[in-house]
Amino acid sequence: QKEVEQDPGPLSVPEGAIVSLNCTYSNSAFQYFMWYRQYSRKGPELLMYTYSSGNKEDGRFTAQVDKSSKYISLFIRDSQPSDSATYLCAMRAQAGTALIFGKGTTLSVSS
Amino acid sequence: GAVVSQHPSWVICKSGTSVKIECRSLDFQATTMFWYRQFPKQSLMLMATSNEGSKATYEQGVEKDKFLINHASLTLSTLTVTSAHPEDSSFYICSASPGLAGTNIQYFGAGTRLSVL
Repeated sequence: QKEVEQDPGPLSVPEGAIVSLNCTYSNSAFQYFMWYRQYSRKGPELLMYTYSSGNKEDGRFTAQVDKSSKYISLFIRDSQPSDSATYLCAMRAQAGTALIFGKGTTLSVSS
Repeated sequence: GAVVSQHPSWVICKSGTSVKIECRSLDFQATTMFWYRQFPKQSLMLMATSNEGSKATYEQGVEKDKFLINHASLTLSTLTVTSAHPEDSSFYICSASPGLAGTNIQYFGAGTRLSVL
């Protein structure tokens, strides 16, 4: 079993839809959780950062962490064509160490 | 957010030559930088952790003599792919974390696409 599992998709939705992206993990020591967005042939861009369990909201984006289930989610409300990208979940156990990434989910939002 | 600059963005080279990729943190000091490799439609795979003033720590399976890492200052780390071959063609991405106060967040460079002919 891989440390971080993420459905690669692709996921196609119409403009305005609510998008749900998820990752599961096996290492109970993970406590720092991030979501990155990556456009084709570009470096990842940090979207959301969450420490331990709980929710965090930033504009149209909401990140949720359920450590008891080892499950994290990213919700995108009112999705836009510009949201079309690959979304990577990432996590780490200790500050300052390298991130462990999921495979990424490719999202396509059609207008 | 913090800015990490990576150069060049794209390089084409002949088989057998060496290629150097630079990673700079523009507005913060980074005691630690990370180098990743990404194949098409795959996730980022950590290659090595670069520590300022000391030797890099390589992940299992990564040849340290082939992928030379130098972290000469708190704002610059370089990755040199020595004697590159077509199988080294990939997307290389660096990341850096600000100092002690912000070590939880990694900022990524834009990546370098290496094509070895």
